[in-house]
Amino acid sequence: EVQLVESGGGLVQPGGSLRLSCEGSGFTFRNFWITWVRQAPGKGLEYVANIREDASEKYYGDSVKGRVTISRDNVNNAVHLQMNRLRVEDTAVYYCARDEKWSGWDVWGKGTTVTVSS
Amino acid sequence: QSVLTQPPSASGTPGQRVTMSCSGSISNIGSHYVFWYQHFPGTAPRLLIYKDDQRPSGVPDRFSGSKSGTSASLAISGLRSEDEADYYCATWDSSFKWMFGAGTKVTVL
Repeated sequence: EVQLVESGGGLVQPGGSLRLSCEGSGFTFRNFWITWVRQAPGKGLEYVANIREDASEKYYGDSVKGRVTISRDNVNNAVHLQMNRLRVEDTAVYYCARDEKWSGWDVWGKGTTVTVSS
Repeated sequence: QSVLTQPPSASGTPGQRVTMSCSGSISNIGSHYVFWYQHFPGTAPRLLIYKDDQRPSGVPDRFSGSKSGTSASLAISGLRSEDEADYYCATWDSSFKWMFGAGTKVTVL
């Protein structure tokens, strides 16, 4: 079965850090871009970051740039999102999704919840 | 505030045709493909349209996408109760990031 599974979410205080992971299975992971998208409570979808198949390109959304680093491990079929200096407004469900050559995010994980609160 | 502008809501009765727009600029919609996603709160989004007007396998042909200049549209024909969801447009921007619209909530009356 083709799937993506996110992990690493939880409750963290403002200013803290979290490392989210997205593990893929059932497909050739190294052939796909991976993107992180989040949805804050009551808000719409927001782009967070994405990474090319070979990690040669990485891009970030404006609201997280400078605080978040995306990386990937194609041996273990995983993408990681290191989130630092977390803010209350980073509270959201974080999804990862795959994309092959502009075919759209056709497979998504179920999401992992990040709550930033004191 | 989203760079891509979508109407906050749209509605129709079962069987009707509903359309929703997504307006951007030359640096995003005008230069790159548009994608549409259906989202039921609490679940993973679903890809409906890719590369402006292409449907992935498994997506009913009731859903169609189009693009002209710096605007795109999603149409749902033969509206059904299960189509009641949030719909988002997305596109790449020349400033090297993805953009989402704020979403259109479709209500089936």
